[in-house]
Amino acid sequence: KAGVTQTPRYLIKTRGQQVTLSCSPISGHRSVSWYQQTPGQGLQFLFEYFSETQRNKGNFPGRFSGRQFSNSRSEMNVSTLELGDSALYLCASSLDKPGAKNIQYFGAGTRLSVL
Amino acid sequence: KNQVEQSPQSLIILEGKNCTLQCNYTVSPFSNLRWYKQDTGRGPVSLTIMTFSENTKSNGRYTATLDADTKQSSLHITASQLSDSASYICVVYTRNQGGKLIFGQGTELSVKP
Repeated sequence: KAGVTQTPRYLIKTRGQQVTLSCSPISGHRSVSWYQQTPGQGLQFLFEYFSETQRNKGNFPGRFSGRQFSNSRSEMNVSTLELGDSALYLCASSLDKPGAKNIQYFGAGTRLSVL
Repeated sequence: KNQVEQSPQSLIILEGKNCTLQCNYTVSPFSNLRWYKQDTGRGPVSLTIMTFSENTKSNGRYTATLDADTKQSSLHITASQLSDSASYICVVYTRNQGGKLIFGQGTELSVKP
């Protein structure tokens, strides 16, 4: 069974640009969550999608958005990039709600550098 | 405020030695607690999940304990190996606000030969 696949693995952008990251969950998993990881803040929850609907959202500005497709694949978009958006963006999939003993499986992440 | 605090921030041990990582939480209501291992450049991997009624859970050389009364958990690593070098993250799930995972900052473990 293939794991969670994130593309691209590395990305370099400049301030003001926008970026789209992609996540393919494990087959059969309908919940996809996105996280931002930085050395200073650790893992911060961005949002969770289930059956194409955003089910939960963290405390990030509206520049961060996402969507989920009917095949459960998900994308997240960051517009008007800022230097502080440089981070590792992780996607995780699970059968259902990521809590409640449903194990989340993480992808390797996309390393975004904003110059 | 819902928080998960881990200690120490970093730890260096010699191969073959045991170590214990700590996690204190103030998350309420508590639903479950999990430990993740994150290798450099990789995503976290789940080690254990424990609910309120479970106070010990093992996964190979990893043993997690939970004291729901004192809101403390520990992760004990036995006979450490070089491959145990990683960040270990404690995460608490609460059903509040539709269900949220609260992440600790992690403990960076380095196992030296």
